[in-house]
Amino acid sequence: DQQVKQNSPSLSVQEGRISILNCDYTNSMFDYFLWYKKYPAEGPTFLISISSIKDKNEDGRFTVFLNKSAKHLSLHIVPSQPGDSAVYFCAASALIETSGSRLTFGEGTQLTVNP
Amino acid sequence: NAGVMQNPRHLVRRRGQEARLRCSPMKGHSHVYWYRQLPEEGLKFMVYLQKENIIDESGMPKERFSAEFPKEGPSILRIQQVVRGDSAAYFCASSAQGAPSPLHFGNGTRLTVT
Repeated sequence: DQQVKQNSPSLSVQEGRISILNCDYTNSMFDYFLWYKKYPAEGPTFLISISSIKDKNEDGRFTVFLNKSAKHLSLHIVPSQPGDSAVYFCAASALIETSGSRLTFGEGTQLTVNP
Repeated sequence: NAGVMQNPRHLVRRRGQEARLRCSPMKGHSHVYWYRQLPEEGLKFMVYLQKENIIDESGMPKERFSAEFPKEGPSILRIQQVVRGDSAAYFCASSAQGAPSPLHFGNGTRLTVT
């Protein structure tokens, strides 16, 4: 049962343009959402998060949008840079006492930014 | 470097041997999580520990796998009698508090079973 889904395995954009990565979830208990970036042979690096009480959070070139009714979130990167080329994982957690900050991850989207 | 430290980075074991993976959380973090990434897949939760306690092990295979986080020293993920299907990247993450807070990941241990 894949509770967090990233339906696009890959995305290719031109440098300077906007990158939009999408993520859908099925578990209505999820109330905290995160995006991670991962380079080969490294661990995931936290990028940005959003709580379910918000619908938008912005940090520099990165903006995350949350649509709770559609159970959908997206990550916008603008302007995209070649160094942004990596695998991006969407993750979610539910505020349950015994789960701590346990995250459920999507399958990832490989972003390639072409110079 | 005050990040999450994992060792070894690469581990090769023959079928039937034991694998021990170590994780030192970030300074000040007392919550540790282990994840596994199989080839071409996302990260799958295995176990969540606090000092001397296993809080949630719902993602751990029922046999051969165990984890601990002792009062002193790193967290250990132990795999007994490894099989080829255990070949994967194993990531450890830590957080300062229970929830909600981002997890900070180490660079993983790549286990290869021959």
